[in-house]
Amino acid sequence: DAGVIQSPRHEVTEMGQEVTLRCKPISGHNSLFWYRQTMMRGLELLIYFNNNVPIDDSGMPEDRFSAKMPNASFSTLKIQPSEPRDSAVYFCASSRYRTSGSGNEQFFGPGTRLTVL
Amino acid sequence: AQKVTQAQTEISVVEKEDVTLDCVYETRDTTYYLFWYKQPPSGELVFLIRRNSFDEQNEISGRYSWNFQKSTSSFNFTITASQVVDSAVYFCALSLMNRDDKIIFGKGTRLHILP
Repeated sequence: DAGVIQSPRHEVTEMGQEVTLRCKPISGHNSLFWYRQTMMRGLELLIYFNNNVPIDDSGMPEDRFSAKMPNASFSTLKIQPSEPRDSAVYFCASSRYRTSGSGNEQFFGPGTRLTVL
Repeated sequence: AQKVTQAQTEISVVEKEDVTLDCVYETRDTTYYLFWYKQPPSGELVFLIRRNSFDEQNEISGRYSWNFQKSTSSFNFTITASQVVDSAVYFCALSLMNRDDKIIFGKGTRLHILP
């Protein structure tokens, strides 16, 4: 079975450019999570969706960040305009949602390493 | 607020030694889940275990074992007879039962197994 798929795996861009990260969750999973990992701050939850609906975006750092989930098999995280401090590894994870707070384990993608020059 | 503390930032042991990774959590909720994830050098986080707050039984899976003690709010992870392939960053994490689906991760412990 395919795991969570993320693209691109590496992205190098210049400050001010728009960046779009993509995620395909595991088939049948209906919760999707976007995380950011840096040395300084560790692993931070940015936003998560249940059944394609954004549930909590309190971790999104600022308005430059936006996420969408147009259907059950695809999500994007967009940064516009990008800044050097956005450099990090961005992970997408999915899980099987039943009810809120049921502690379902999340399955992570390989991540996208973003470098903003 | 919820918090997970992994006080050991980095540990190095020689292969075949046993090693314990500490995890202390904070929450006012009485029902919750605890997790351990492994992040090998390839970068992808791999789920290892989930325990719920009702079940304090220790868990053993091969060379891995977990000790959950509510009295000390700890969920420690022991690797017996460590191997070089165990080298990774290990994350302890917490989520609240029947609240939401967030998982709060600790900062991780980087484990080096030396040949």
